[in-house]
Amino acid sequence: EAGVTQSPTHLIKTRGQQATLRCSPISGHTSVYWYQQALGLGLQFLLWYDEGEERNRGNFPPRFSGRQFPNYSSELNVNALELEDSALYLCASSLRDREQFFGPGTRLTVL
Amino acid sequence: AQKVTQAQTEISVVEKEDVTLDCVYETRDTTYYLFWYKQPPSGELVFLIRRNSFDEQNEISGRYSWNFQKSTSSFNFTITASQVVDSAVYFCALSGQSGGSYIPTFGRGTSLIVHP
Repeated sequence: EAGVTQSPTHLIKTRGQQATLRCSPISGHTSVYWYQQALGLGLQFLLWYDEGEERNRGNFPPRFSGRQFPNYSSELNVNALELEDSALYLCASSLRDREQFFGPGTRLTVL
Repeated sequence: AQKVTQAQTEISVVEKEDVTLDCVYETRDTTYYLFWYKQPPSGELVFLIRRNSFDEQNEISGRYSWNFQKSTSSFNFTITASQVVDSAVYFCALSGQSGGSYIPTFGRGTSLIVHP
């Protein structure tokens, strides 16, 4: 069974640009979570999508947004990129209250 | 509010030593779940274990064992006879059901370095 996949693996952008990160959950999982892991920091919760709806968001500005598609895959968009947005972005999927399974992450570098 | 504390920022051991990673949590939920994840240098978090609040039995999986004690709100993780491949950052996490949200709260992680 395929695990959670994320693309791209690496992404390099400049300040002010927009970044789009993609995630495909494990087959059958309806929940997708996005986390930001900046260097030396723990996992900061960004967004939770379930059944196509945004269910919760962390303490991040509105320029962090996303969506979940009918096939449960998800997209994270970061607008007006800032240097401090440089981080590893992790996507996870789960069945509601079950354990989350993580993808390999997208490393975003903002120059 | 939920909180997970991993007081050990970094632990350094020599191969074959036993090592225990501490995890202390706070929650008002009566039903909750505790997790441990491993993050090797590659970056992907690997799920290790899930334990619900009604099951205080300790668990052993090969060289890994977990000690869950509700009385002290702790869920500690022990690696027996550590190996270099165990070098990683380990995260403890807590998920309750407050408000129907299943967002886990992660600790800040403990970096384990196993020297040959």
